Amino acid sequence: GQQLNQSPQSMFIQEGEDVSMNCTSSSIFNTWLWYKQDPGEGPVLLIALYKAGELTSNGRLTAQFGITRKDSFLNISASIPSDVGIYFCAGGTGTASKLTFGTGTRLQVTL
Amino acid sequence: NAGVTQTPKFQVLKTGQSMTLQCAQDMNHNSMYWYRQDPGMGLRLIYYSASEGTTDKGEVPNGYNVSRLNKREFSLRLESAAPSQTSVYFCASRQGLSSYNEQFFGPGTRLTVL
Repeated sequence: GQQLNQSPQSMFIQEGEDVSMNCTSSSIFNTWLWYKQDPGEGPVLLIALYKAGELTSNGRLTAQFGITRKDSFLNISASIPSDVGIYFCAGGTGTASKLTFGTGTRLQVTL
Repeated sequence: NAGVTQTPKFQVLKTGQSMTLQCAQDMNHNSMYWYRQDPGMGLRLIYYSASEGTTDKGEVPNGYNVSRLNKREFSLRLESAAPSQTSVYFCASRQGLSSYNEQFFGPGTRLTVL
């Protein structure tokens, strides 16, 4: 089955630094979603993108839907310790019931 | 409003044993999903149910069966567990079929098959 390529696999950053991660696919998606998973919990939706080129913010988080519809990125500004977790991208085709998930980016924030 | 709940939280099985993972949602959602999560693999869809009374295979359905008992509940059954089914299992629900609707995830069931 298809999986999205997500990079980097892991990041170790200092508190206050900005973070950038991205997701690429060989297929076109109509929707891009970004989820965060805390240890021992299920994923929680952070940002949803519905249009190619769309740039959406949610507090310190900003995500963009690539023009080609085959990629997306997520930026986190001024990281804080509670940003620690695994970030997943997911692509959807609108009318389909299934989401395709990326392999995840593990973020560690040091004080 | 509990959202999506899953039981049990942890389970250890021996090869060949059977068990059922339970999932319930109280958001009146139409669609429900079962995923498995393995290290470095992200989440992979096992089965989904678009509405009460319907179920469909996802990406990795072999070795599993599902039952949409009613609108609230969607169970996943392992008839004869194998070590390859050691994983974390997540249930999710969504209002409709379109990915324009957010999927809400449960806390997961951590299953080990010895």
